[in-house]
Amino acid sequence: SQQGEEDPQALSIQEGENATMNCSYKTSINNLQWYRQNSGRGLVHLILIRSNEREKHSGRLRVTLDTSKKSSSLLITASRAADTASYFCATDPGSGGSNYKLTFGKGTLLTVNP
Amino acid sequence: SAVISQKPSRDICQRGTSLTIQCQVDSQVTMMFWYRQQPGQSLTLIATANQGSEATYESGFVIDKFPISRPNLTFSTLTVSNMSPEDSSIYLCSTRQGGTDTQYFGPGTRLTVL
Repeated sequence: SQQGEEDPQALSIQEGENATMNCSYKTSINNLQWYRQNSGRGLVHLILIRSNEREKHSGRLRVTLDTSKKSSSLLITASRAADTASYFCATDPGSGGSNYKLTFGKGTLLTVNP
Repeated sequence: SAVISQKPSRDICQRGTSLTIQCQVDSQVTMMFWYRQQPGQSLTLIATANQGSEATYESGFVIDKFPISRPNLTFSTLTVSNMSPEDSSIYLCSTRQGGTDTQYFGPGTRLTVL
């Protein structure tokens, strides 16, 4: 069953603007990972945030995690046309019965207009 | 980061035939995963393949339809058997990088069944 749910499902912005995507999940996690997918190709790993972390940065990316609300957000600042892609969050339960199996959300399709 | 390659990158197959997808990792890894992404959808885990043991399949996926081999620590294959148009999807293999929780994905195999 789907664990993560992203919103919005689609987002269209102008180049230079910021884009924020949200992800909610239902069960406890070890970490949450964000991925980008261009035009149905492979997934590119963007950032991993652990359950004991609240915020992480990587270049123009900023990820937050609120485990009390079971939600995460991905912010892309100063967006570029090349950022146009689908973005997915994936929850990782860690070891144990679920054995590191990622559960993906439905994704947000981001379009950055030049 | 782990570098993962897949072959073929895409294929068009006839109904009733089978296709074997290969996944090669540039380092030895314990766990490999196979995912399916149906058109316009998110990723769904098919099975987990650990070297030296039988693959573990998720609900809705069976070995007769998706046999998996894992002959060594850098390689795995997924066969899609007796294909129907409903099997048209992108199939992706994935692995966790040793010592971290980061999961990396191959470039995917885009399968179209006529």
